[in-house]
Formats: sequence, C-alpha cells, structure tokens
Amino acid sequence: AQKVTQAQTEISVVEKEDVTLDCVYETRDTTYYLFWYKQPPSGELVFLIRRNSFDEQNEISGRYSWNFQKSTSSFNFTITASQVVDSAVYFCALSEAYTGGFKTIFGAGTRLFVKA
Amino acid sequence: NAGVTQTPKFRVLKTGQSMTLLCAQDMNHEYMYWYRQDPGMGLRLIHYSVGEGTTAKGEVPDGYNVSRLKKQNFLLGLESAAPSQTSVYFCASSKREAPSEQYFGPGTRLTVT
Repeated sequence: AQKVTQAQTEISVVEKEDVTLDCVYETRDTTYYLFWYKQPPSGELVFLIRRNSFDEQNEISGRYSWNFQKSTSSFNFTITASQVVDSAVYFCALSEAYTGGFKTIFGAGTRLFVKA
Repeated sequence: NAGVTQTPKFRVLKTGQSMTLLCAQDMNHEYMYWYRQDPGMGLRLIHYSVGEGTTAKGEVPDGYNVSRLKKQNFLLGLESAAPSQTSVYFCASSKREAPSEQYFGPGTRLTVT
C-alpha cells in the first residue's frame, strides 16, 4: 500500500540557515513517481519537482535541492540559505500505477517558518 | 491563462444544506481532481475524472458527488452538508500523460455549522 510520511510537522529556522524537509514513502511498485509541492500562505499549491523511481540522480534548482535514495525510501528536500519567502507548507507526494491510471497520495505536509 | 479557478472562495452552510463547488481549467487538461485539506492530514482525494463524462471515487468520496459534463469543468456537490465536511477544498488538473504534475486552484474554504 502507498504511504507518505513527513515526520516533521513544523520547522522554524532563521533566514540564511539551510533546512532539510524529510519525506519517507512506502510502495510495492517498482515504477512510481515522487513530487514536492509548496503551499505558500496564499493557499494555492505549486509544483516544485517530479522524480521517477528509475532516476536516482539528485537535482539542484537554485537554492533548492532534492536527494532521492531508494535504499531508504526517502526523497528529501533541502533549501539552502533560506529566505522569508520560503515560509510555506511543503507536501511530498507519491504516484503509482493502478488499472486505469495513476494514484497520488500526499503526505501530511511540513510547515516551514523562516524568520528574518 | 487563468489556470485553475474555483467558485466560490468561501462558503458557510448549515447542516443539511446543499451546495455545488465549481472548478474550471483553461489548460485543456484531461484529468481533474477534487481534494480536501484538513489540518495534519495533507490532501485527500475525494473524486477524480480522467476525461469528459467520466468520474471515479477517490479516498474519501462519501457525502460528495461530482460531474464532468464539459472537459474544462469539474463540479463537486454536497447534497446534505455535515459538520465533518468543514474543510478547504482544492481542485486540480493535469495532463493525460500520467503522472504529470497537478495544477491547483486557490481553494474553497467551507464551513458547515
């Protein structure tokens, strides 16, 4: 069965600190996809990244980086030199195939506070 | 492009009342979804649609109905609202090529008293 665990409910950091948001998933499939979304205070979720199960290369996009490790079923997200605008709720999600398409489940989210 | 829009943004209902939430997307996406977001529980899928005229149940479908008469619209109905349906509702859409990223609307905050 699918499961996504974001054990950190809330994280508070001071601006310019680095912060890592953890995501641990469970799946029986060998083919699956992982996502991260950001929900700023305005409320609308914004897509950040998608990664498939066959691509374990880490990815960096500006101050954001993602570390995918199949051995530990983790897909962690690091923000380097955090800024106040990074304050948001971040969701990790897992999609796996089923008859007729894909099913996506979301973790409970991690609320990040970045203080000036 | 407006992306994904939702109507209304806020609503207060009394127990037993009915209402329809409207979602519209202008990206020609095949797939559309309705989620509810509750504190500490992330997003849970209520119903989804893989194309015009088709709908399917998600994780928490009870108490809700949906319709997708036009490709760009996805309606979520509450026939007899209950306090347990107090939540923030999000609509999303995605391309046919699955699993592609989902584009979300701004949400509807519903309170049932």
